[in-house]
Amino acid sequence: KAGVTQTPRYLIKTRGQQVTLSCSPISGHRSVSWYQQTPGQGLQFLFEYFSETQRNKGNFPGRFSGRQFSNSRSEMNVSTLELGDSALYLCASSEDIYGYTFGSGTRLTVV
Amino acid sequence: GNSVTQMEGPVTLSEEAFLTINCTYTATGYPSLFWYVQYPGEGLQLLLKATKADDKGSNKGFEATYRKETTSFHLEKGSVQVSDSAVYFCALSEVNFGNEKLTFGTGTRLTIIP
Repeated sequence: KAGVTQTPRYLIKTRGQQVTLSCSPISGHRSVSWYQQTPGQGLQFLFEYFSETQRNKGNFPGRFSGRQFSNSRSEMNVSTLELGDSALYLCASSEDIYGYTFGSGTRLTVV
Repeated sequence: GNSVTQMEGPVTLSEEAFLTINCTYTATGYPSLFWYVQYPGEGLQLLLKATKADDKGSNKGFEATYRKETTSFHLEKGSVQVSDSAVYFCALSEVNFGNEKLTFGTGTRLTIIP
């Protein structure tokens, strides 16, 4: 089975812009979660989608949003980028709570 | 809410030394417990997991036992190698009315010197 694919791997954006990140889960996995990793805050949960529905959301402002398509691929969008949004964004797919498989992440730098 | 507390790093050991990274958790129910490893510039890789009390997860010489009485899931390895240098994260997940997500510890950076 192919793993979790995140694109792009690296991204540089300017403050105020918006960005869209993509995640293709393992075939057959219906749950996709997103996490933000920063040196200061560590790994923080953003949101989780299951069968195209957002099932759970972390404590992030409304500038952070996501969606999931019928093929389980997911995108997350960050609008009005701030310097503090610079982070590694990780996507994980799962069949159940016993196994989350992560992608390599998208490293976003906001300048 | 749920939380995970793990040993502060960084940890530096000589090759072939014994490794322990402590992890304790707080959860309202019966979580599953995980150790993930992150190599430089990469995402998280599942190292091992345990889904119920007294389960032992093991992989690549690493072991951890789910101890409900002490709410702990300490990671151990008998003889570390230079290639084990990485950041290790303890995590839990718990089903809670569709509120499934992973809660992570802060990570422990491990460096093994030859």
